[in-house]
Amino acid sequence: EADIYQTPRYLVIGTGKKITLECSQTMGHDKMYWYQQDPGMELHLIHYSYGVNSTEKGDLSSESTVSRIRTEHFPLTLESARPSHTSQYLCASGIQGRGYTFGSGTRLTVV
Amino acid sequence: GENVEQHPSTLSVQEGDSAVIKCTYSDSASNYFPWYKQELGKRPQLIIDIRSNVGEKKDQRIAVTLNKTAKHFSLHITETQPEDSAVYFCASFNTDKLIFGTGTRLQVFP
Repeated sequence: EADIYQTPRYLVIGTGKKITLECSQTMGHDKMYWYQQDPGMELHLIHYSYGVNSTEKGDLSSESTVSRIRTEHFPLTLESARPSHTSQYLCASGIQGRGYTFGSGTRLTVV
Repeated sequence: GENVEQHPSTLSVQEGDSAVIKCTYSDSASNYFPWYKQELGKRPQLIIDIRSNVGEKKDQRIAVTLNKTAKHFSLHITETQPEDSAVYFCASFNTDKLIFGTGTRLQVFP
């Protein structure tokens, strides 16, 4: 079934560690997005991509980086995790002028 | 750039009553307006959308209206049920991405 998949679902990690959150979609969408969201709160756009080799920063300042080497894959990397990074990270994909499909999210806790 | 305002931030209704959530947008070039429902611990799900060439759209108990002149759109839920309890986000498609409202937490009491 075409969908967007995020792993891991939950992650607890120590301060200073490097982590990569995975996002893959089988929907054939060109556009992909990363959002940070505290549970039930606003969606903050942190990165997006129009297609392969395209990455843009979003509205929320972030210490993360992304890459888009393949259409279906859009991983998010935190070089040095801090407690302030504790949040839920949602990946989404879409096509021009249509609604996004969201992944189930990664709930990150930095201790 | 585009700005989307959403009201109210919380809404409590009795089961069976109607609920209305309103959003305004700033850029008249915006042309697509989806609504998302996010249940506790789950991903946002698209529930209904409307394009700028349409004034109203209905799908069973939910409807969306759009007033392009005033630059506002609304979500209407009739005959609310406890399973309608969730956070609802409006959004406006502008240039190359969706701009989301800040969300409305709807609680439906039995």
